[in-house]
Amino acid sequence: DIQMTQSPSSLSASVGDRVTITCRASQSISDFLNWYQQKPGKGPKLLIFAASSLQSGVPSRFSGSGSETDFTLTISNLQPEDFATYYCQQSYSIPFTFGPGTKVDIK
Amino acid sequence: QVQLVQSGAEVKKPGASVKVSCKASGYTFTSYGISWVRQAPGQGLEWMGWISAYNGNTNYAQKLQGRVTMTTDTSTSTAYMELRSLRSDDTAVYYCAREVVVWRNLDYWGQGTLVTVSS
Repeated sequence: DIQMTQSPSSLSASVGDRVTITCRASQSISDFLNWYQQKPGKGPKLLIFAASSLQSGVPSRFSGSGSETDFTLTISNLQPEDFATYYCQQSYSIPFTFGPGTKVDIK
Repeated sequence: QVQLVQSGAEVKKPGASVKVSCKASGYTFTSYGISWVRQAPGQGLEWMGWISAYNGNTNYAQKLQGRVTMTTDTSTSTAYMELRSLRSDDTAVYYCAREVVVWRNLDYWGQGTLVTVSS
């Protein structure tokens, strides 16, 4: 199975900050990398697919980059509604494993 | 609009089975797959498996092989996930999600179904 790691596991940030979350795969997954946002008590929401493609309806302050094994999710100009947990997921090889998550909370 | 509506919360005893439904609307059901993902209390997301709504092909997480069965009913645009021989560590919120062909990302999610396994 492909293992996914994320760093940091949590971070504190302020409204207006630029936030970067890193995701690493244990082997190459090309660009089969997705990012999801989850708020407490809610289901996940797709933000980015194919490493860098913005899902329809997602604000442009979210962006993704990377390929092979190293990926990044960037939130520019952090907004109050962005405080949540973020998960990466590889969809290259079954089982489609998720990273452990990164919790973004208010500083 | 695309919607996935799941069945309600369940409480089961260890060793029992549970079957969760996921009714899809707002799109052509057979043009997408359905994945199931679960989340234990306070934990991360765990991919359980996938079913093609087109032909019923399935892939399951190895740790659940033999205990899980995913099916679809195309006449009602409903997907089902049955988990047998329940244990306490199966207590989780179970989500269905629509899987997009090619990139296999999960673009729409159900509201989740809490399954509690307790004696």
